[in-house]
Amino acid sequence: GDSVTQMEGPVTLSEEAFLTINCTYTATGYPSLFWYVQYPGEGLQLLLKATKADDKGSNKGFEATYRKETTSFHLEKGSVQVSDSAVYFCALSYGNNRLAFGKGNQVVVIP
Amino acid sequence: SAVISQKPSRDICQRGTSLTIQCQVDSQVTMMFWYRQQPGQSLTLIATANQGSEATYESGFVIDKFPISRPNLTFSTLTVSNMSPEDSSIYLCSVDLGQQETQYFGPGTRLLVL
Repeated sequence: GDSVTQMEGPVTLSEEAFLTINCTYTATGYPSLFWYVQYPGEGLQLLLKATKADDKGSNKGFEATYRKETTSFHLEKGSVQVSDSAVYFCALSYGNNRLAFGKGNQVVVIP
Repeated sequence: SAVISQKPSRDICQRGTSLTIQCQVDSQVTMMFWYRQQPGQSLTLIATANQGSEATYESGFVIDKFPISRPNLTFSTLTVSNMSPEDSSIYLCSVDLGQQETQYFGPGTRLLVL
């Protein structure tokens, strides 16, 4: 079935460093792709999305491009802040608007 | 977006009992969903709550264990029945507002089963 794979393990980096979180997907069609974020003690929030190939989603300095040829939707931010510390989930939509999530990556930004 | 509330926000329950979780939305929505997030894990879709008909369950989830009601377009309940410690999770409801498959999530119900 349709699924999402995120890179293993937490990500720890210094403030102002470049962040990349890898996400690849397996799907029979052309799903919409999403990044959701869960800040400490808060609920899950939509960060950005892309609905078709070559679309770029962006929000709060984060970007991700829908790459059909590599079935990827990697999340990037050029200069992270301590406030970006959170868990990031990649997701895709499949059949009847359902979402399949990746395992999530804990991001810790050190001042 | 939508304002989504869940009750209770957290609970501690005894093995063998049942808990009903409520999800309320501030606007009418067609699609509502229930997810489970086990400790340190990702979100797993339990079922789609259909208004006026039985919920549609994902593989591995059954109605006897997770009965769902959807009496109208703003409200749904999920019951976790005959609980065991393995049911300790965060349970989240979400809604789809018809905005290109984007879902908005409630704050979650944190359940601990002893």
